[in-house]
Amino acid sequence: GEDVEQSLFLSVREGDSSVINCTYTDSSSTYLYWYKQEPGAGLQLLTYIFSNMDMKQDQRLTVLLNKKDKHLSLRIADTQTGDSAIYFCAEKSRLNYGGSQGNLIFGKGTKLSVKP
Amino acid sequence: GAGVSQSPSNKVTEKGKDVELRCDPISGHTALYWYRQSLGQGLEFLIYFQGNSAPDKSGLPSDRFSAERTGGSVSTLTIQRTQQEDSAVYLCASSPPGGPTEAFFGQGTRLTVV
Repeated sequence: GEDVEQSLFLSVREGDSSVINCTYTDSSSTYLYWYKQEPGAGLQLLTYIFSNMDMKQDQRLTVLLNKKDKHLSLRIADTQTGDSAIYFCAEKSRLNYGGSQGNLIFGKGTKLSVKP
Repeated sequence: GAGVSQSPSNKVTEKGKDVELRCDPISGHTALYWYRQSLGQGLEFLIYFQGNSAPDKSGLPSDRFSAERTGGSVSTLTIQRTQQEDSAVYLCASSPPGGPTEAFFGQGTRLTVV
């Protein structure tokens, strides 16, 4: 079945870069996502990458995808205290589905703590 | 409304009682997901509805859990004979058809079984 794995915790100093890693199992996934959950708030989409891309950059965020190893990473440059949150990796699994449909499978989330 | 709406926001129930949790997705969104988030845990997939297709129920943890989606819109998650381990935040999300569709999440229902 589908599975998404992430490390549970990451601690960095303000101004450093943060790298959050994720592995997934469904090689037929069409899209991979990063969601952010701030304390006491709901989940919000940060960014996504299509499976035929290997990199996507959006301001301070860089997503790298290694499809061969089924490895996804999120790099946050110049990390700020406001970036402290839980970051969830998710895949749109196409197992048992056609076209672009698919279930969204999430990892357990990585809690990012940013120290001043 | 503009976003995914869930009700109630909080529910305290006695062990053994049945509960119903409601989700109003964004209008026009064909996909609807239910997840469970226990304290300090990630998102556990429960069930996925996509248009008129048969739902993917593979994440439901036991036969005490069921969900329906009426008219392709509102969804109800029912938990029968609640147990203490059912205590969690139940999150609903919806997304439009096709493409890298963003899933929009509701604020969740915090269920406490005492």
